[in-house]
Amino acid sequence: QKEVEQNSGPLSVPEGAIASLNCTYSDRGSQSFFWYRQYSGKSPELIMFIYSNGDKEDGRFTAQLNKASQYVSLLIRDSQPSDSATYLCAVDTTTDSWGKFQFGAGTQVVVTP
Amino acid sequence: ETGVTQSPTHLIKTRGQQVTLRCSSQSGHNTVSWYQQALGQGPQFIFQYYREEENGRGNFPPRFSGLQFPNYSSELNVNALELDDSALYLCASSTGGDQIETQYFGPGTRLLVL
Repeated sequence: QKEVEQNSGPLSVPEGAIASLNCTYSDRGSQSFFWYRQYSGKSPELIMFIYSNGDKEDGRFTAQLNKASQYVSLLIRDSQPSDSATYLCAVDTTTDSWGKFQFGAGTQVVVTP
Repeated sequence: ETGVTQSPTHLIKTRGQQVTLRCSSQSGHNTVSWYQQALGQGPQFIFQYYREEENGRGNFPPRFSGLQFPNYSSELNVNALELDDSALYLCASSTGGDQIETQYFGPGTRLLVL
C-alpha cells in the first residue's frame, strides 16, 4: 500500500482558473508536509510547506492541511501556462529524525491558454 | 538556484558496473539525503547523512552506499548495477536538527544502465 497518494492527472486547468491538487497519507505520526513543483527533465523545487492544521498562503499558492483526515491539498490561483508541471507531495513521517521524505507519484497539471 | 550541485549530469553504464555520483551541498547544511526517481514516479528515499554519519536508510540494498565529507560534499556509490537502477538520482541538502527539515534539491544525475 502506497503511503502517500496523489491523483496522477493530467489535471487540465484553463488559464486564470484555480487548480486544486490533493494528497493523502497513511502515517498518522507525520509531522510536516511539503509541495514541490517539477518541470519535465528538471529536479523538484520547493513551493511551500505546512505543519499546522488549516490554511497557509504564499502568493498564488495555498496549502491546506487536515491531520484528522490525513489530507493535504494545494490550490493554485490564477493559473498560468508556466504552472504546467508535475506537483509532488512530500511527507516527513519520522519523529525521531527528520528529513526522510516520502513522496507521492505526483500530479501533472496542464494549464491551457 | 538552490546552491546544491551534482555531477555528472548524465551517465551511461552497463549492467554489473559500479558508479559514483557526487553532490555538493549548500554551505552550512549538515544533512544530505539521496533519492532515486524512476520515470513517472516520485522520488524514493535512499539514505541520509548527517555530520558524516549515515542517519537512516530507505528500502535499498547494501550495494547502494554513501559518504559525506566535512566540506559539504557527498557521494552515492552503486555497485553491481542492474537495469532497474536507471533513474534520476537526486541529492537534497538541509540544515539538520530542525523539526521542519526543508530540503533543497540539486539538478540530479540521470543514470542509464544498459
